[in-house]
Amino acid sequence: EVQLVESGGGLVKPGGSLRLSCAASGFTFSSYTMNWIRQAPGKGLEWVSSISSSSSYLYYADSVKGRFTISRDNAKKSLYLQMNSLRVEDTAVYYCARVPLGASNWFDPWGQGTLVTVSS
Amino acid sequence: EIVMTQSPATLSVSPGERATLSCRASQSVNSNLAWYQQKPGQSPRLLIYGASTRATGIPARFSGSGSGTEFTLTISGLQSEDFAVYYCQQYNHWPPCTFGPGTKVDIK
Repeated sequence: EVQLVESGGGLVKPGGSLRLSCAASGFTFSSYTMNWIRQAPGKGLEWVSSISSSSSYLYYADSVKGRFTISRDNAKKSLYLQMNSLRVEDTAVYYCARVPLGASNWFDPWGQGTLVTVSS
Repeated sequence: EIVMTQSPATLSVSPGERATLSCRASQSVNSNLAWYQQKPGQSPRLLIYGASTRATGIPARFSGSGSGTEFTLTISGLQSEDFAVYYCQQYNHWPPCTFGPGTKVDIK
């Protein structure tokens, strides 16, 4: 069974840092592009970042560029999001999601999400 | 950045009826559009990609249509488990890929 499990969320003060992880299982992780997508409480979905299978291509939303860094460890079957200089508006559930092989950039499946709360 | 809009914001439908959800892109995205379903407390689930191709395991009562800037998700014979929020997403011009604000389908 394909599974994505996020962790690392929590409460952090504005200006602080947090590192999210996404553990993958049930598929050949090293073959897939992976993404982070977030959802503020009661709001819609916002794409955050994308990383290609070999980490050759990295993309970011303008809202996080220069503050967040996406990375992966294919040996550990894990995806990461290093979040620095956090702002109140970064408060959201963060989902990791896989891009199917041969697909452009739609997402299937998604993890269950991890909540990041930025508050003083 | 392509802006996605969805209408209506909320759709009240009786079980067994048909629901028609609309999604519009600010410029053509060809057929590079996906639909997702999200139930309360759950993560989104892929329903449709390529504007009209059902994802694996998605029931035939879900159908997608459209191309360019106008898209439709139709749910025929709504069942209780279909009451949820539905999002469209374009992936023709990315980064960034962008989502619509969602349509909530609730029980009439």
